[in-house]
Order: sequence, then structure tokens, then C-alpha cells
Amino acid sequence: DSGVTQTPKHLITATGQRVTLRCSPRSGDLSVYWYQQSLDQGLQFLIHYYNGEERAKGNILERFSAQQFPDLHSELNLSSLELGDSALYFCASSVDQNEAFFGQGTRLTVV
Amino acid sequence: AQKITQTQPGMFVQEKEAVTLDCTYDTSDPSYGLFWYKQPSSGEMIFLIYQGSYDQQNATEGRYSLNFQKARKSANLVISASQLGDSAMYFCAIMNYGGSQGNLIFGKGTKLSVKP
Repeated sequence: DSGVTQTPKHLITATGQRVTLRCSPRSGDLSVYWYQQSLDQGLQFLIHYYNGEERAKGNILERFSAQQFPDLHSELNLSSLELGDSALYFCASSVDQNEAFFGQGTRLTVV
Repeated sequence: AQKITQTQPGMFVQEKEAVTLDCTYDTSDPSYGLFWYKQPSSGEMIFLIYQGSYDQQNATEGRYSLNFQKARKSANLVISASQLGDSAMYFCAIMNYGGSQGNLIFGKGTKLSVKP
């Protein structure tokens, strides 16, 4: 158990809908990263938050947004969903740059 | 830009034997970290081992060791005494420390199958 909790584990939704994925980092970790894993793109970095502030953006679509709350949990919001958004979404947390522990992921299926 | 290359899409190894999974990287940043993760069929990403670019010694964690050759820009993972439970996808990743991003860049992975 990495100590990073993601909910829900599975999500099935229709095209055009909006979903929210939640991540609770390990206790004490200030950094939260979101990654997307799909068959064609592999593991792609989406966005990084540190202590509530956005630090970096990767290949994140404009339809996607995220935030990190004062209690350090983070949410990734995906809107106007398309079939191609079906993927495994990971959250990772760290306190130092020599580590990054991943949650179990949320498997999103858009039908 | 940084890049990770894993040239072995799939590997087979006999149980109890050692196996090396290849990883080469490209970065212009002198300060970086290299990571290996295991992803079993259940999907979770399990952190295995870390090597910093300035670390003098190769990292080891139990049956895992990292063969770090800085001049060749390679960071191969060695798994000793393979077990059936080692069957999984293995990902190599790099994190550059010079810029502001601090995120991981992953390779495409190697699927390891351990034969009984």
C-alpha cells in the first residue's frame, strides 16, 4: 500500500458528461501529480500541484482541470468527455524529489 | 527535452534466474533522478528503486538493483532470483531537477514474463 488513495477505482460514464476524480496523498506529502495512462499514449504527465498551488502543466486538455485543497487532497475534473478520454488516471504524491508514490488509479471508461 | 527509451517490449525469464531490463535516457539537465516502477495486471504502479544522477554507487533494494552507467546514459534494472510474482510491466522514468516541473517522464515499458 503506497499510502496514496484514489477514488473511485472504476468509473463508467457517457460521452459529454463530467466526472471528478479524487486523490488523497500520503500524510505529509505536499506535492500531488496527475498522470494519464492510455494504450496509445502511454503514461503522460497532466499537472502538478504543490501545497495548493499549480506548479506545472503537461499534456492536459483544456476540458480538464484540477485543484488541490487546503487539506492537500486533490481533484481532477474531466468535462465534455470523449471516447478517447478512456484511460487509467493516476495520482502520485511526494515530499522529496527522489520519490513519487502512486495511487491505485481510477479506470475511466467513456461509452 | 528529456526522453526514456525502453527497447524491449517483452522479455521472458526462467524462475530463479536473473534478468536485466534495459533503459536509456536523454536529458540535458545535469541533475536528475531515475526511477523504476512495476505495474502488475491489477494496474497499480509500484515504486521499485531510485538512482540520483550524482549518486556514486548503484542503487539496490532487495532483489532489485540499478546498473547506472552515466556516460552511456543507461539505467538498467536487474532483478535477481526471479519469482512468478515478478511477471508485470516495468517502467523506467526520469525526473529532471533543473527546471520547475519535477514530473516523471516515462518510457513505454517492458513486459516481463517469468516462466516456472
